[in-house]
Amino acid sequence: NAGVTQTPKFRILKIGQSMTLQCTQDMNHNYMYWYRQDPGMGLKLIYYSVGAGITDKGEVPNGYNVSRSTTEDFPLRLELAAPSQTSVYFCASSPRESSYEQYFGPGTRLTVT
Amino acid sequence: GQNIDQPTEMTATEGAIVQINCTYQTSGFNGLFWYQQHAGEAPTFLSYNVLDGLEEKGRFSSFLSRSKGYSYLLLKELQMKDSASYLCAVRYDSGYSTLTFGKGTMLLVSP
Repeated sequence: NAGVTQTPKFRILKIGQSMTLQCTQDMNHNYMYWYRQDPGMGLKLIYYSVGAGITDKGEVPNGYNVSRSTTEDFPLRLELAAPSQTSVYFCASSPRESSYEQYFGPGTRLTVT
Repeated sequence: GQNIDQPTEMTATEGAIVQINCTYQTSGFNGLFWYQQHAGEAPTFLSYNVLDGLEEKGRFSSFLSRSKGYSYLLLKELQMKDSASYLCAVRYDSGYSTLTFGKGTMLLVSP
C-alpha cells in the first residue's frame, strides 16, 4: 500500500513548455485534490475531483487542467508554463466527503525559467 | 474568500509547552484540521475538531471555540523533532470536503 504517489519529484520547465504532473493513489479514495504551495504560504487548492469523470475548480485553477478517468489517477496538466507557476505541487486524496483527513503525496517541485 | 489567520513564526525551548493559535471566519464552518509539515515534506494530519472543546492525542491537543472562530494547537514536552510548520485548515459547507488553509506557523524548537 503506497498511499499517494507523485511523479516527477523535481522538474525544470522553460517558459511556454507544457507538462503533466502525475498523481496515483491505491487506497480506493473517491476524493482527490491538487494544491500548490508557495514559500511562506499555505496550500492553495487548484482542482479537485469527487469521483471518476467529475472534476471542479478550486481557488487558483487558471493555467491548469485536470482529468479523472479512473479512481486511482488524477493528473494535472500545465499548458504554456509561466514563472508564476513555479511552486511545490501536492496531490491529496480522501475516502469520502465526511472523511476527516486528506492524505498527501510527497510533492513535485517545479521551476519555470 | 475565508481568511484563516495564524502567527508566522514561534520559537520555544525543548521540554516546554507551546500554543499555536488560529482564527477563522465562522460562517459556514464545518470542521477544523491541524497538519504538521516538516521542511521539504508533505503535510501530515495531526487533529480534527468539529465540536467545541479539547481533543487530546498524546503530547498534542487541539481546542475549538466555534462561537469565537478560534482554535489552538497545544504541544507539550517539546522535542527537537517538533520543529516544523503547523497548518490550520478549515472545511466550509460550500465545498466537497475541500479545505481552506492558513499560511502556517513555523515553530523552531531550540535546545
